[in-house]
Amino acid sequence: EAAVTQSPRSKVAVTGGKVTLSCHQTNNHDYMYWYRQDTGHGLRLIHYSYVADSTEKGDIPDGYKASRPSQENFSLILELASLSQTAVYFCASSDLGVEQYFGPGTRLTVL
Amino acid sequence: AQKVTQTQTSISVMEKTTVTMDCVYETQDSSYFLFWYKQTASGEIVFLIRQDSYKKENATVGHYSLNFQKPKSSIGLIITATQIEDSAVYFCAMREGSALGRLHFGAGTQLIVIP
Repeated sequence: EAAVTQSPRSKVAVTGGKVTLSCHQTNNHDYMYWYRQDTGHGLRLIHYSYVADSTEKGDIPDGYKASRPSQENFSLILELASLSQTAVYFCASSDLGVEQYFGPGTRLTVL
Repeated sequence: AQKVTQTQTSISVMEKTTVTMDCVYETQDSSYFLFWYKQTASGEIVFLIRQDSYKKENATVGHYSLNFQKPKSSIGLIITATQIEDSAVYFCAMREGSALGRLHFGAGTQLIVIP
């Protein structure tokens, strides 16, 4: 059974609209992360969290918010979606210092 | 400044041969962790192998092994006896000891295994 799940798996949004991407993990990990991957590139960290009700900015946080209501759930929020936010978004979880486990990704297209 | 660099964009090898993928990193931390991940054609990202900076022995898992050259800030991934299903994009990543779990990824190397 997949330990990190994401929903939706694919989404088309309109420019200026609000988008919420959800992530759920059953690994009992404290750390959760949101990355974006642009075609032909590596992953870049948007936001992360090491405890419920707290989030931290990653390397490219502008235009994104994050929410960690519980250990298992971590959401990424685009308040005003823009064309430049078209990408594949990955959620991951880990314990400190060890490898991260990734979800299947969400393909977001902003039109 | 880019912290993790993979200069090989794409590599093609014959099945059952050995391939090495290069990765160099930059850090000021004395303690750090290095990882290799595989992204399959379906988009799935899978953890392969890890090297802790304080360990002198190269990590090995199955037919994956690492060539850790600390003075050169280099961590190469070696795949022996390559199989068709090894065709994928391979990412190198680094976590600095002070970085609360944050990973820096390289741009990836696409491996094509030819039957």
